[in-house]
Amino acid sequence: GAVVSQHPSRVICKSGTSVKIECRSLDFQATTMFWYRQFPKQSLMLMATSNEGSKATYEQGVEKDKFLINHASLTLSTLTVTSAHPEDSSFYICSARGVRGTGNQPQHFGDGTRLSIL
Amino acid sequence: GQNIDQPTEMTATEGAIVQINCTYQTSGFNGLFWYQQHAGEAPTFLSYNVLDGLEEKGRFSSFLSRSKGYSYLLLKELQMKDSASYLCAVRDSNYQLIWGAGTKLIIKP
Repeated sequence: GAVVSQHPSRVICKSGTSVKIECRSLDFQATTMFWYRQFPKQSLMLMATSNEGSKATYEQGVEKDKFLINHASLTLSTLTVTSAHPEDSSFYICSARGVRGTGNQPQHFGDGTRLSIL
Repeated sequence: GQNIDQPTEMTATEGAIVQINCTYQTSGFNGLFWYQQHAGEAPTFLSYNVLDGLEEKGRFSSFLSRSKGYSYLLLKELQMKDSASYLCAVRDSNYQLIWGAGTKLIIKP
């Protein structure tokens, strides 16, 4: 089945550091990628949607300048958390979807990145 | 607005059957998905319904009634490893997934 690879799986770093998370679709072309954040015992919260070759669409309340998203190819999207602070500590999950069409096109999730800012 | 409702938590016994309900109100409908999420892990895809009726996949089945805005996930022969959160998500007219808050399922021996 479709596979999405997300790296790194865990990051621990000091406050003020910028962290880049990569999301790759391994066996399909991901025209759309989604970035979610999930705090402990809470539901998934969509941060932004990115389409290949265009600017990401951010959800209300998500800072564009803080969470930089690049979707330069059909198989790679990156999320950069700039100048991260302890409140940015969370579980970040990417998801990818193939070409929109008929039938079953579920979003496939990466394994997530647990970010801890000290 | 768009809304997905599912129970916050359910408890069931190993070997039994449990039904997790999901009701939705969305702008358009292009399919309903169920995902399983174990604590600390990313969600994994379980099932997809776009037409009314029951879809069976091993121990798991999912039902959809579009006229009622209702779906359920049925888990049979429960195993301890089924303890997880189950997320209901509806794809709207813009092909965006609208997520429910998830149902935490606790399996007891």
